[in-house]
Amino acid sequence: DAGVIQSPRHEVTEMGQEVTLRCKPISGHDYLFWYRQTMMRGLELLIYFNNNVPIDDSGMPEDRFSAKMPNASFSTLKIQPSEPRDSAVYFCASSFRTGGETQYFGPGTRLLVL
Amino acid sequence: DQQVKQNSPSLSVQEGRISILNCDYTNSMFDYFLWYKKYPAEGPTFLISISSIKDKNEDGRFTVFLNKSAKHLSLHIVPSQPGDSAVYFCACEAPGTYKYIFGTGTRLKVLA
Repeated sequence: DAGVIQSPRHEVTEMGQEVTLRCKPISGHDYLFWYRQTMMRGLELLIYFNNNVPIDDSGMPEDRFSAKMPNASFSTLKIQPSEPRDSAVYFCASSFRTGGETQYFGPGTRLLVL
Repeated sequence: DQQVKQNSPSLSVQEGRISILNCDYTNSMFDYFLWYKKYPAEGPTFLISISSIKDKNEDGRFTVFLNKSAKHLSLHIVPSQPGDSAVYFCACEAPGTYKYIFGTGTRLKVLA
């Protein structure tokens, strides 16, 4: 398996622009997680899905952030409008939960908002 | 308010010696604990885990210790190798949530 795939790997945009990050989880995994990594706060969980349904979005920082999972093999995290403080590395992870299953992370998208 | 803390942002160790990375948590309901390793420009990868019913788990050079009364987790790497140089994150899971709460990470540098 190719692992969790994220695109783009790098994104540079200007403040106010819309940003869309994409994720393809590992085939067969039924949980998908979006994280954000910053120096100050480390890895923060933003939202997670089970069987394409959002379960917990309490980590989404503001209404500017939204996430969707239209099918089992694709998810998006959208920021609209983007702000400089959104600059971070965004990771997608997936897992197959039978109890104690670990999460497998993608390589991340490094976002810079100017 | 950080529920999971890694108070040492960085650590340097000589090759062959023991590396000890520490993690403290505040929520006594956490019942599953993990360590992830992260190389630059890559996603974190799972290293080792322990459930709350145990106090030690070993996997080769890596051992995780759990002290529930102190709410403290540690990772021992023996012997340390230059390839172990990475950022290490501890994570805690609250029961029934499938949510990992990560610490801020400790950058380990193993000197040859």
